[in-house]
Amino acid sequence: EVQLVESGGGLVQPGGSLRLSCAASGFSISNYAMTWVRQAPGKGLEWVSGISGSADDTYYAESVKGRFSISRDISDNTLFLEMNTLRAEDTAIYYCAKDRDDILTGPPQTLDYWGQGTLVTVSS
Amino acid sequence: DIQMTQSPSSLSASVGDGVTITCQASQDISKFLNWYQQKPGKAPKLLIYDASNLETGVPARFSGRGSGTRFTFTISSLQSEDIATYYCQQYDHFPMTFGGGTKVEIK
Repeated sequence: EVQLVESGGGLVQPGGSLRLSCAASGFSISNYAMTWVRQAPGKGLEWVSGISGSADDTYYAESVKGRFSISRDISDNTLFLEMNTLRAEDTAIYYCAKDRDDILTGPPQTLDYWGQGTLVTVSS
Repeated sequence: DIQMTQSPSSLSASVGDGVTITCQASQDISKFLNWYQQKPGKAPKLLIYDASNLETGVPARFSGRGSGTRFTFTISSLQSEDIATYYCQQYDHFPMTFGGGTKVEIK
C-alpha cells in the first residue's frame, strides 16, 4: 500500500528556516517524480516544487525559487523540502505527492497519492 | 503560467441531482487535465486524469470530458459523501496549475 507521511512543520519566525520530510512506503521514490503542493488557510492548491524521477531535474514555483530546495534520499525513501528565508505568505499546509506514471524525466504531472500534510506557520 | 478558471465557485444541490463543474484554461492544454476531490481536513484525491479517465476505485458517477481549453466534470447523481471541494489541474505547460476550486454542498 502506498503511503506518504509528512513531518517537520511548525511555527517559525519570518526569515527563519524549516526542513520538511515526506516518508514514502509501498513504492520507490527513485521511480517516480515527486511534488510538494501547499494550501494556505482557506485557500486553493498551489504547486511549490518538484523533482524528476531520475532526480536530474528539480523544479520550483517563482514564489519560492532561490529560497526553497527539494531533494530526496533513496536509501530512506524520503523526500525533503528545505525552506529558507520564510515569509508570512508561506504559511500553509504542505503536501507531498507522488506522480501517477513512472516517467523518469520531466516535471510532475498527475498526482495520484498525497500525504496528510504538515502545517507551516510563519509568524512573529 | 496557464490560468485555470473554474465555475461555479460553489454550488448547492440535492442528493440524487446531477452536478456539472466547468474548467476553462487560458491556453490550449490538449487533454492534459486532471480533477481532484478534497474533503474538509483531508488531502486531495485524484478522481479523473487526462480529462476523461476514471482513476481506479473511483465510482462511475464521476466523469469528465473536454479538450483544448474547455473541460467539464460531472457527478451524475450527487451523494452525501460527495460533499467536498473539487479542483481541476493542468500539466500540459510547466508549471502545473490548479483551478480555484468548486465547493459542492447538499441543499
